[in-house]
Amino acid sequence: QKEVEQNSGPLSVPEGAIASLNCTYSDRGSQSFFWYRQYSGKSPELIMFIYSNGDKEDGRFTAQLNKASQYVSLLIRDSQPSDSATYLCAVNIARGTDKLIFGTGTRLQVFP
Amino acid sequence: KAGVTQTPRYLIKTRGQQVTLSCSPISGHRSVSWYQQTPGQGLQFLFEYFSETQRNKGNFPGRFSGRQFSNSRSEMNVSTLELGDSALYLCASSLSGPANYGYTFGSGTRLTVV
Repeated sequence: QKEVEQNSGPLSVPEGAIASLNCTYSDRGSQSFFWYRQYSGKSPELIMFIYSNGDKEDGRFTAQLNKASQYVSLLIRDSQPSDSATYLCAVNIARGTDKLIFGTGTRLQVFP
Repeated sequence: KAGVTQTPRYLIKTRGQQVTLSCSPISGHRSVSWYQQTPGQGLQFLFEYFSETQRNKGNFPGRFSGRQFSNSRSEMNVSTLELGDSALYLCASSLSGPANYGYTFGSGTRLTVV
């Protein structure tokens, strides 16, 4: 079992719709969770982080965390073509010292 | 505030050669991590350095090594290059570790081994 799993996609949504990106993780001791966006040919950039169960909103983005189910998701409201990118879920594996383990990413395509 | 700077941006090497990549973290950041990104495997953790000490290591062969200097700048070295080492190598920095605020990534070094 991979430590962090994401559906590779592509996830195609129309402009203006809600895009829902999902991620599961295997380490129950994980404490912090991150979503990165990576445009083609660019490096990942951090868009959200969440530590506590529940929802965290930042503009059009909402991160949702359910530690009991070992599940974290990212919702993008009012999706725009400029949101088309690969979204990487990263989990802080806190065994010993921290390191971020990344999922392989979900490619999102927003069409006009 | 300058971001994470990686040099060179592109590199072409021949099998068997060695290569050194450089990373300058954001000013004040003491933790530097290295990742290898390939289309098939995604982002794979190589190692993390903090205050000149390797604090964490991924599952890569000993041909991959790194170091960090007193000014937090870091280098990674790959010896005896193989075709499979062709990848985007990303450096990421954080204040003291990724747990609280994650990483800021550099633009990466694209290594092609021929």
